[in-house]
Amino acid sequence: QKEVEQDPGPLSVPEGAIVSLNCTYSNSAFQYFMWYRQYSRKGPELLMYTYSSGNKEDGRFTAQVDKSSKYISLFIRDSQPSDSATYLCALVKAAGNKLTFGGGTRVLVKP
Amino acid sequence: DTAVSQTPKYLVTQMGNDKSIKCEQNLGHDTMYWYKQDSKKFLKIMFSYNNKELIINETVPNRFSPKSPDKAHLNLHINSLELGDSAVYFCASSQESHNGGIYGYTFGSGTRLTVV
Repeated sequence: QKEVEQDPGPLSVPEGAIVSLNCTYSNSAFQYFMWYRQYSRKGPELLMYTYSSGNKEDGRFTAQVDKSSKYISLFIRDSQPSDSATYLCALVKAAGNKLTFGGGTRVLVKP
Repeated sequence: DTAVSQTPKYLVTQMGNDKSIKCEQNLGHDTMYWYKQDSKKFLKIMFSYNNKELIINETVPNRFSPKSPDKAHLNLHINSLELGDSAVYFCASSQESHNGGIYGYTFGSGTRLTVV
């Protein structure tokens, strides 16, 4: 069993809908939680970074962390076709440690 | 531009050859990484260096040897390339903040290695 599980999708939504993504993890040692966006043939781009349980909002993006359930989410409001990409959750146990990635969810926002 | 830059972007080579990928970051970060993304898009850590010192070495064949001449550079040399080495290799860097948090984890645009 992988340390971080993420539904591969694809997740197809109409433009303007809310995109809901999530990851589950098994190791409570993870302390830092990130979401990356990766366009085809590009490097991962950091979208959101959270440390504690709770919500964090940045524009159209909201990240949620529930450490008790070992569950993290990313919501994208008012989705646009340009949001079509693969979204990867990434977890870290401590500063300077490696990122442990989920397998990524492919999202397609249709105009 | 501040960034993590990798060269080359594309690398096509024959089995058995030796090749190198270079990475440079001008973000002032202390830690640099190599990640491998396989055909299923799964990203996995290979190596990590902190201030030129190797701190993470996952289960990677000995044919892969990282080298960090200074904290802004981390190169990856691969000997005797095999078909299974075909993948996208990403360099990344990060920095620990003064209060123990982290920031950064910035990725380069990747090197697409194809072994034929």
